[in-house]
Amino acid sequence: QKEVEQNSGPLSVPEGAIASLNCTYSDRGSQSFFWYRQYSGKSPELIMSIYSNGDKEDGRFTAQLNKASQYVSLLIRDSQPSDSATYLCAPGGSGGGADGLTFGKGTHLIIQP
Amino acid sequence: GAVVSQHPSWVICKSGTSVKIECRSLDFQATTMFWYRQFPKQSLMLMATSNEGSKATYEQGVEKDKFLINHASLTLSTLTVTSAHPEDSSFYICSAPTGGSSYNEQFFGPGTRLTVL
Repeated sequence: QKEVEQNSGPLSVPEGAIASLNCTYSDRGSQSFFWYRQYSGKSPELIMSIYSNGDKEDGRFTAQLNKASQYVSLLIRDSQPSDSATYLCAPGGSGGGADGLTFGKGTHLIIQP
Repeated sequence: GAVVSQHPSWVICKSGTSVKIECRSLDFQATTMFWYRQFPKQSLMLMATSNEGSKATYEQGVEKDKFLINHASLTLSTLTVTSAHPEDSSFYICSAPTGGSSYNEQFFGPGTRLTVL
C-alpha cells in the first residue's frame, strides 16, 4: 500500500515570502514525482514534475527531490495571494506502464496579503 | 500542457437513476485514463484504470458493477454510475497520461460534480 504524507496545514505565509511544502512517500520504487495545485471546487492542476535527485526550478517554483530519504518538497518564492490553494504531492510509478496516482491529503496554503 | 475535458461539469439526479460521465483527451491519444473521486475536504482517491480495448481495473473497495467504465476510443472514456444513491454524491475527476510510462505527466479534466437526491 503506497503512502504519501503531507502536513495538512493550514500553512500561512506572508505575501512575498517563501512557502515551503513537504512530502514523504513510502514506495521506494517511485521514479517520478508530481506537484499539483488545487483551488477550492476545481480539479488539480500540474505545476511541477521531477524525476532526478536535486532541484528543479520553474519560474517561482522549485521542486527538490531526495530519493534516499523518500522526500520531495516544493518551494514557492515571492508568494502571491493567488498561490493560496491546496498543494497535492503524488509519486509516480516505477517507470513502467502508466499508473494511477496516490495523493497525499494535501497542504492547504494561505498567502496573507 | 495537454487538455482533458469532462462532460457534464455538474449533474443532479434522483436516487436510483444512472448517470454517465464522459472524459476526453482533446489533443493527444490516451490508451489509459484514470478515474478518481473526491469527497469534501478529502484528497483524491483512485477508483479505476480505464484501458482502451480491454476491461477496466478497479481499486479495492470500488464496485465494478456499480461504476461501469468503457474506453471506447483512444480519446474517450466514460464512467457510468448505476443506480446512484446519495452516498455516491461526490466530485468525479478523470486524468490521462500523455504517454504509456509513469514518467509521463498526467493531466486532469475539470471534474464532474454529482449530486444524488
